[in-house]
Amino acid sequence: QKEVEQNSGPLSVPEGAIASLNCTYSDRGSQSFFWYRQYSGKSPELIMSIYSNGDKEDGRFTAQLNKASQYVSLLIRDSQPSDSATYLCAVNYIRGSYDKVIFGPGTSLSVIP
Amino acid sequence: EAGVAQSPRYKIIEKRQSVAFWCNPISGHATLYWYQQILGQGPKLLIQFQNNGVVDDSQLPKDRFSAERLKGVDSTLKIQPAKLEDSAVYLCASSLDRWDNEQFFGPGTRLTVL
Repeated sequence: QKEVEQNSGPLSVPEGAIASLNCTYSDRGSQSFFWYRQYSGKSPELIMSIYSNGDKEDGRFTAQLNKASQYVSLLIRDSQPSDSATYLCAVNYIRGSYDKVIFGPGTSLSVIP
Repeated sequence: EAGVAQSPRYKIIEKRQSVAFWCNPISGHATLYWYQQILGQGPKLLIQFQNNGVVDDSQLPKDRFSAERLKGVDSTLKIQPAKLEDSAVYLCASSLDRWDNEQFFGPGTRLTVL
């Protein structure tokens, strides 16, 4: 059973702080990794994708991937109240002609003004 | 560029009734996904299409759920008969293709089964 795990939270950080969101996955065949943001009552929105080990930065967001440890994280710098949402980690693994995307349960983030 | 369209946005039915949801993906996107999201959980993949062929339907309850994408563009998901536990948000997403699977989601359909 291939799984994606995240701390459910809620994670609370003060405005301006760094929020750190973590995700672990069970299948070493996983090749693509995504972070989605989901506001309450809305659908998920893609904010970051990462495919190789290391860091990938986009504005205030940094995704970090460590395939050896089967770990992917999302850092949000200078957190704003508008960042309060649930963050979903999604993992895609491809094996031959077979591929599957699995979403984690999400981590709820609350940024306190 | 228009996003993923879904209808209806909300639906309330009684158990044992049937319901259908419609999705139109982003133009040019070959891969279409239907997800079920129960409150407080991550999306669960029900079925994935590549053009008009099924890639993965391993988690689709086939005794009551069916889906089709006849012309490789829009898609319908049907539930017949509905059960109380089918109450959820049904999300449609699309991606350029299955190997470039940054997914874009529609607004979802919130289904309540009474």
